Amino acid sequence: GAVVSQHPSWVICKSGTSVKIECRSLDFQATTMFWYRQFPKQSLMLMATSNEGSKATYEQGVEKDKFLINHASLTLSTLTVTSAHPEDSSFYICSARDFLGQGVYGYTFGSGTRLTVV
Amino acid sequence: DAKTTQPNSMESNEEEPVHLPCNHSTISGTDYIHWYRQLPSQGPEYVIHGLTSNVNNRMASLAIAEDRKSSTLILHRATLRDAAVYYCIRGSAGYARQLTFGSGTQLTVLP
Repeated sequence: GAVVSQHPSWVICKSGTSVKIECRSLDFQATTMFWYRQFPKQSLMLMATSNEGSKATYEQGVEKDKFLINHASLTLSTLTVTSAHPEDSSFYICSARDFLGQGVYGYTFGSGTRLTVV
Repeated sequence: DAKTTQPNSMESNEEEPVHLPCNHSTISGTDYIHWYRQLPSQGPEYVIHGLTSNVNNRMASLAIAEDRKSSTLILHRATLRDAAVYYCIRGSAGYARQLTFGSGTQLTVLP
């Protein structure tokens, strides 16, 4: 089946620095990828939709200048958390649309990135 | 608005069947029902999906009520590795929009 590779799996950074998270579709082309954030004991919250070759679409309340998304190829989307602060510490997860067959699309998720800002 | 309702938590004994319910009373005629699960510290993984008929795959079975206002995910023999948060999600067919996750059901499997 479709595989989405996400790196790094965890990262610790100092407050004020930037962190880049990569999301790759390994065996299929993903024109659209999604970025989610998940705080402890909570559900996934969609942050933005990443479209290959165009600007990302951000959900209400998500700062686009803080969470930079680049989707320069059909297999790679990146999320950069700029000037990270402790409140940005969270579990970030990407996903890509996947064809399940019979006209139905599902989603394949990366393994997630645990970001800790100290 | 996830538009599905699931119990917050359920428990099951190992090697026994588990029935995870989901209410989606406002589902439209073309919405599919998707189930994903999330193991600790991992991204969600696809479990099963269906429209009207009951569905089976290697992971689970999905029983959909005749009026489609509810469905049940069935794990035939729960293992410790099935302990996860299970999400029931409505999704349109075709080139669907992003998934909207509700709170899900935390399944605990007891040895």
